[in-house]
Amino acid sequence: AQSVTQPDIHITVSEGASLELRCNYSYGATPYLFWYVQSPGQGLQLLLKYFSGDTLVQGIKGFEAEFKRSQSSFNLRKPSVHWSDAAEYFCAVDSGYSTLTFGKGTMLLVSP
Amino acid sequence: DAGVIQSPRHEVTEMGQEVTLRCKPISGHNSLFWYRQTMMRGLELLIYFNNNVPIDDSGMPEDRFSAKMPNASFSTLKIQPSEPRDSAVYFCASRLAGGQTGELFFGEGSRLTVL
Repeated sequence: AQSVTQPDIHITVSEGASLELRCNYSYGATPYLFWYVQSPGQGLQLLLKYFSGDTLVQGIKGFEAEFKRSQSSFNLRKPSVHWSDAAEYFCAVDSGYSTLTFGKGTMLLVSP
Repeated sequence: DAGVIQSPRHEVTEMGQEVTLRCKPISGHNSLFWYRQTMMRGLELLIYFNNNVPIDDSGMPEDRFSAKMPNASFSTLKIQPSEPRDSAVYFCASRLAGGQTGELFFGEGSRLTVL
């Protein structure tokens, strides 16, 4: 069965600094990969997704992620963090059987 | 277009009571998912439907939980009897028809507190 690991439970970044959130997956074939963001009291919103092709994918709100097959990783990045980016971020994998498996999430705190 | 609509947004009930959570998926979506979110376990898939038919309910914790989808625009998740350990946020999500690799659209969740 597929699994997703987000090793960082919390990350604090200064406003304007760069951000990288880590995600590792376990799956035998090429997975479909997603990053979602959840603001307090809200549902999850899709930031970006990778299905195939270019391993660097662009998403909304200035986020990007890079798929690295050799490392089984799909890390999320943003060059300059804004205070409004403070939220919880979830990486997810779809094995192609119609369901998503989510990581435990990384809470991003943005300091002034 | 309206997104996935869930009700109630908040529910506080006492142990032993029946709880019914409701979901209206996005029109045209034919896959519907129920997830549960807790601090300890994160997001867990409880059950999902394709074309109103339950496909995988292996995530349903026990017989106290049941889910139905009587038509393409409505689903319920019922807990009877409820227990304090059922306290969580329950999310409904839907997906575009035929889109196995498509985006899941989430509702805003139903926060359940069982006293």
